[in-house]
Amino acid sequence: ETGVTQSPTHLIKTRGQQVTLRCSSQSGHNTVSWYQQALGQGPQFIFQYYREEENGRGNFPPRFSGLQFPNYSSELNVNALELDDSALYLCASSIGRQGASYEQYFGPGTRLTVT
Amino acid sequence: AQSVTQLGSHVSVSEGALVLLRCNYSSSVPPYLFWYVQYPNQGLQLLLKYTTGATLVKGINGFEAEFKKSETSFHLTKPSAHMSDAAEYFCAVSLSGGSYIPTFGRGTSLIVHP
Repeated sequence: ETGVTQSPTHLIKTRGQQVTLRCSSQSGHNTVSWYQQALGQGPQFIFQYYREEENGRGNFPPRFSGLQFPNYSSELNVNALELDDSALYLCASSIGRQGASYEQYFGPGTRLTVT
Repeated sequence: AQSVTQLGSHVSVSEGALVLLRCNYSSSVPPYLFWYVQYPNQGLQLLLKYTTGATLVKGINGFEAEFKKSETSFHLTKPSAHMSDAAEYFCAVSLSGGSYIPTFGRGTSLIVHP
């Protein structure tokens, strides 16, 4: 069974640029959630996709957007990068549009540095 | 709305000693509670969760946690620390009744001395 994978592992971008992060969900999982983890903080929920549709969003501006593909892999896009966007971005997959008791499986993350 | 407070950004113990990581939550409805572990350069791994039923929850790697509603707490314990337990630990809460968005604490770094 393949776990959650993310690419790239590290990325350096300049303020104002755009970035795309990718996530492959665990086999059999149809739901993907994205989190931002700033240094020394806990993860913060960005949004979730279930069967290619956005299924909830945290307190992030519209320049954070996403996609989920028919194979349930997902992309996180961030436009007009700001210095505060520097963080570890985590992807987590799960089964079904579940309530609060769901179990998520996290990928290793993408470390984004904005200079 | 819900929130989580993890007391102590760093906890240091000797190998073989008791591990106690503290978590207090605030929730307007009965909560679901989670503990995750994060090793360096890795994602989060679920240690254990409480949803309903027995308030003492056992997880992986010998960890357990007890839900105490009167104290709004969900502290994580392990009787005997091992060097491999050194990691970052996160407590998280989400609301029962449909809200799936978890709120994470700021994390506690567990340091284990030989």
